[in-house]
Amino acid sequence: TQLLEQSPQFLSIQEGENLTVYCNSSSVFSSLQWYRQEPGEGPVLLVTVVTGGEVKKLKRLTFQFGDARKDSSLHITAAQPGDTGLYLCAGGNTGTASKLTFGTGTRLQVTL
Amino acid sequence: NAGVMQNPRHLVRRRGQEARLRCSPMKGHSHVYWYRQLPEEGLKFMVYLQKENIIDESGMPKERFSAEFPKEGPSILRIQQVVRGDSAAYFCASSPPSVGYGYTFGSGTRLTVV
Repeated sequence: TQLLEQSPQFLSIQEGENLTVYCNSSSVFSSLQWYRQEPGEGPVLLVTVVTGGEVKKLKRLTFQFGDARKDSSLHITAAQPGDTGLYLCAGGNTGTASKLTFGTGTRLQVTL
Repeated sequence: NAGVMQNPRHLVRRRGQEARLRCSPMKGHSHVYWYRQLPEEGLKFMVYLQKENIIDESGMPKERFSAEFPKEGPSILRIQQVVRGDSAAYFCASSPPSVGYGYTFGSGTRLTVV
């Protein structure tokens, strides 16, 4: 059974601070995705990374896929209250559509 | 250009009743996935379907749960004889054939069993 562990589980920071969320597994994934979920809503896809060592930037968010494709990180620069939510990583196994294995989640709260 | 539509948003059932959850995928998406989320937890895979076919149901409980995606109409997740432990948020997602595009999730159905 493939597992994705995220850390930290909870994170409360003030506006303007930087933070990093980690997603680790003992298994190799062919792709990894990051989602953000707000209360009462479904997860929204932020990014997909497919190449070991790949780095993608989305405004203040930087995503990295580990060289061995077993881990990933999400770094947020100058966090804002609008970044508050549940961040989920998810690993995919094949090049075609297939089920995703979701991580345990990191709940981020950004306060003024 | 509607996204993934799930209904109902909230569903209350008494123990022993049947729950029927519906999901209409995004236009052009041929793959549908159902996930279950308990409070403060991540999403657990249940089943993956294409039109008229169940591709992977490894996450579905062996009893009381079934899913279909008919040629016409929405995908249906059916839970028979619901128990309190079935209370959760059930999310449907759809995708085109390539996983590189990622999933698009619906807003979920929150099932409460009383």
